[in-house]
Amino acid sequence: GAGVSQSPRYKVAKRGQDVALRCDPISGHVSLFWYQQALGQGPEFLTYFQNEAQLDKSGLPSDRFFAERPEGSVSTLKIQRTQQEDSAVYLCASSLNRGPSQPQHFGDGTRLSIL
Amino acid sequence: AQKVTQAQTEISVVEKEDVTLDCVYETRDTTYYLFWYKQPPSGELVFLIRRNSFDEQNEISGRYSWNFQKSTSSFNFTITASQVVDSAVYFCALSEADRGSTLGRLYFGRGTQLTVWP
Repeated sequence: GAGVSQSPRYKVAKRGQDVALRCDPISGHVSLFWYQQALGQGPEFLTYFQNEAQLDKSGLPSDRFFAERPEGSVSTLKIQRTQQEDSAVYLCASSLNRGPSQPQHFGDGTRLSIL
Repeated sequence: AQKVTQAQTEISVVEKEDVTLDCVYETRDTTYYLFWYKQPPSGELVFLIRRNSFDEQNEISGRYSWNFQKSTSSFNFTITASQVVDSAVYFCALSEADRGSTLGRLYFGRGTQLTVWP
């Protein structure tokens, strides 16, 4: 499809396991964002890429969270040694150009549950 | 401090009623952008509208209209003659554009759950 694609759609992991969440942005989109959405809350910013460069990772909650976009297209968000508070929906968004005016196009998200 | 406040957690209306969703924002930037997104039960955030801080002209798109008032730091969203398909969570968001801001980073409110009953 032409939209932002995220996989898996659902992920269940035991506390302490590592997980990897994938995002396929819209082809040609320069900017890519990751957000975390807790139940009943608005999305919270995690990190931002412009092409392959990670320009802002100030929203990552701890050093257990790591994101990459090595070729400036697909991005992976990795969470090491997961904890129960990591349970949330992880949203990926992309926009055509850099800049604050660009509407972001969101994927359906990955719902992560940590047991 | 919350940059975007949506005080209404839940709103219920009956079909064909008009409904207004409130949004109040806070920023020190002189240039910024405001957005509304719709999140249906499927989970995907759908972009509805963008306004920049220099354009206070209200906008109408079909049954949707937006009222931007810098004096009160508000960007309210009205749905006229609501329909069942309008049921969703609606988010207001802010993007700051002055030097030093992460361009494009969105600050979201907590969202308003709108339920339209037939």
